[in-house]
Amino acid sequence: DAKTTQPNSMESNEEEPVHLPCNHSTISGTDYIHWYRQLPSQGPEYVIHGLTSNVNNRMASLAIAEDRKSSTLILHRATLRDAAVYYCIESKGTGANNLFFGTGTRLTVIP
Amino acid sequence: DAGVIQSPRHEVTEMGQEVTLRCKPISGHNSLFWYRQTMMRGLELLIYFNNNVPIDDSGMPEDRFSAKMPNASFSTLKIQPSEPRDSAVYFCASTPRTRYGYTFGSGTRLTVV
Repeated sequence: DAKTTQPNSMESNEEEPVHLPCNHSTISGTDYIHWYRQLPSQGPEYVIHGLTSNVNNRMASLAIAEDRKSSTLILHRATLRDAAVYYCIESKGTGANNLFFGTGTRLTVIP
Repeated sequence: DAGVIQSPRHEVTEMGQEVTLRCKPISGHNSLFWYRQTMMRGLELLIYFNNNVPIDDSGMPEDRFSAKMPNASFSTLKIQPSEPRDSAVYFCASTPRTRYGYTFGSGTRLTVV
């Protein structure tokens, strides 16, 4: 299983940006970084993914370090609906595309 | 698009009974995954299929668990006989066999008493 390291929990004030860090020091050159989140009582939800370049979509931005050993998920303006567990995942495997979830970061958004 | 559909949403059964969980993936998605989530162990991959063929079932806890995908639009996860330690939320996910974008169902909460 590919191993990533995330803080267990983080807090953010509503309407402020949130930076969720992830370390993946053993990542290999062809492995992608994926982020999923899981809201209470729901299944995980895809957020964003990237390989080397920074990525933006309607949900978030992903900043990947130049050496690719770490990345940061950026929520530009946290809302109460963003309170969830955020998972950072390396995808290893030769075309199998199976994702292994760690323990993630529980984000609390304070009104 | 109705997303990944799982049934039932909740299942309560007695120890020793057979339990069947069902999943309908998104049309056109070639890969299907079964996960289990508990407080102690988090999200665990049980088995996945590519084009209806089981590829890796190394996550299946023991022989009491079995999964099938008879066609591209349906999969089952069966536990026989069930035990209290099988109590968990079981998720099904599908993807069009790329490196990104799994879509998960809402899960089946299984309680074995």
